[in-house]
This record gives sequence, structure tokens and C-alpha cells, in this order.
Amino acid sequence: RKEVEQDPGPFNVPEGATVAFNCTYSNSASQSFFWYRQDCRKEPKLLMSVYSSGNEDGRFTAQLNRASQYISLLIRDSKLSDSATYLCVVNFNNAGNMLTFGGGTRLMVKP
Amino acid sequence: NAGVTQTPKFRILKIGQSMTLQCAQDMNHNYMYWYRQDPGMGLKLIYYSVGAGITDKGEVPNGYNVSRSTTEDFPLRLELAAPSQTSVYFCASSYYGHYEQYFGPGTRLTVT
Repeated sequence: RKEVEQDPGPFNVPEGATVAFNCTYSNSASQSFFWYRQDCRKEPKLLMSVYSSGNEDGRFTAQLNRASQYISLLIRDSKLSDSATYLCVVNFNNAGNMLTFGGGTRLMVKP
Repeated sequence: NAGVTQTPKFRILKIGQSMTLQCAQDMNHNYMYWYRQDPGMGLKLIYYSVGAGITDKGEVPNGYNVSRSTTEDFPLRLELAAPSQTSVYFCASSYYGHYEQYFGPGTRLTVT
């Protein structure tokens, strides 16, 4: 089983739609969770951290379910500019307690 | 702050040549990382460093070497380039291992 697992997509949605991605992780002791965004041929950039109580940033909402070991990202009112790959990122208690990146979910928002 | 900078942006190497990819950060981060990303694939960790003078292997270290003589700089050395090393290389840094990472713009390397 991969340590951080995501549906690679692509998710094709019309502008204005609501879309949700899930990500599962294998280490129940993980303590840090993030969503990153990566545009085509660009570096990954932090979209938002994911807190235990859930958090919202404008049209984006992130949720953490520790019992089931998954995190989710909800995007409301999708814009063309939301088209990108979304990376789920989790820390693991390996050497250095470092972050592990999922393979990403590709989102394409169509006019 | 410039954040994380990488040079060069692009490079074409012939098989068997060597080169150094430069990475620098001005955020006083302890941790630095090198990843490679093949087309349509996820990030793979090559090497990382938890502080000056300390480096360790990641998932795919073969064919690469690193050094960390200062907090700011973390160069990646490719010896005897092979076509399998054609990829985009990203450098990143973070304050601690479980903190968010900040990425440089990447170096696109082609080995022919």
C-alpha cells in the first residue's frame, strides 16, 4: 500500500461546479497535513494546511478524518484558474520526520 | 526574500558528462531537499539535509551526490549523466521536517 494515496484523475468539471478530492495515508501517528497545488511545468506551492478541526480558505475547505486516516479538499465555485494538480502531503515518523507527497490529483475546469 | 533559488533553469547534457545543480535559500531553514519529477509522475526524494554538514539518502539517490557546507546552500552533483536522469529537479527547504516545504522553480535537465 502506498503511504499517501490519491486518485490521479483527471477530474473534468465545468466552471462553477463543486469538486472534492480525498487522500488516504498509512501512518496513524502522522501529525502534519497539507494540500499543495502544482501547475503544469511549475513547482509545487502550498495551498493550505489541514487542521484537526477542519479549515476553510475562501472557496477551499480542507477536512481531516484521523479515525479513517484520510484528508479531503473541497473546491466550491470552480474557476478555470483552479485547473492544476493537487498534492496531498503528510508527515511520517521516519528518519527526519519528513513530509511524504502523494502522486497528485489532476483537476481540469472547463468553460 | 528570494525564497528558494535554483540554477540553471535548463540544461542539456551528453551521456557521461557531469554537472552541479545549485540551490540556495534565504529563509534560514534547517532542512533542505532534492526531488526529481518525471513527466506525469510524482515527486521522488533524492537526498535531504537536516542541517549544515548533515546529509542523508532519500528514495532514489543512485547517480547523485550532495553536500551541505552552509545553511543556505545545498548543491546536487550528477556524475556520469545517463538518459534515465532526464527529469525536472526541484530543491525545497523547510524549517523542520514536518513543517511545510518551499520549493524552488526547478531545473529541467535532458541527457542525450
